[in-house]
Amino acid sequence: AQSVTQLGSHVSVSEGALVLLRCNYSSSVPPYLFWYVQYPNQGLQLLLKYTSAATLVKGINGFEAEFKKSETSFHLTKPSAHMSDAAEYFCVYTNFGNEKLTFGTGTRLTIIP
Amino acid sequence: ETGVTQSPTHLIKTRGQQVTLRCSSQSGHNTVSWYQQALGQGPQFIFQYYREEENGRGNFPPRFSGLQFPNYSSELNVNALELDDSALYLCASSLQAGGDTDTQYFGPGTRLTVL
Repeated sequence: AQSVTQLGSHVSVSEGALVLLRCNYSSSVPPYLFWYVQYPNQGLQLLLKYTSAATLVKGINGFEAEFKKSETSFHLTKPSAHMSDAAEYFCVYTNFGNEKLTFGTGTRLTIIP
Repeated sequence: ETGVTQSPTHLIKTRGQQVTLRCSSQSGHNTVSWYQQALGQGPQFIFQYYREEENGRGNFPPRFSGLQFPNYSSELNVNALELDDSALYLCASSLQAGGDTDTQYFGPGTRLTVL
């Protein structure tokens, strides 16, 4: 079955430190992969997406992710964490012609002052 | 450009009642998808509507039903509410063309509480 696995339900980093949120996918066809962010009591905001073009994808708010087929990974990084980055992050899978998004279980990011 | 909007923001119902949630899609989008997000979990796909017809359904019972209107807005109806239906209901709009669906953009959600 096509899916994504997020490693670590909770991640804490110090302000100014590197943010690394891990995601691995399972797919028998070329995947489309996304990272969405959800702030408390809000809907989902698209951070970035991969749809078979460049493997290094840059998103909003300084985030980027690299698609690595050999490792079936799509990890999210940001060089320097900011207090405003505290939120829930979801790695999301779909593929061409697929009507639905399949969400990972989410990673709650906490920023330590 | 107006984003995806949903109404109401919050709703409280009792078990056995029926509820209707509404979604207005982003300008230029022809597809609406609905998701259920239980507390502490990721969203789960309910169904998608494309040009007023259901275009895929997740693992939800028939008491979850929907509509899409000519202006591409949509409704989610849930009959015979159960306590487990308490969740955040998210609507997402997108543009489907050439057999593929573009990025889905989400609304702020409707928080449903079933007592």
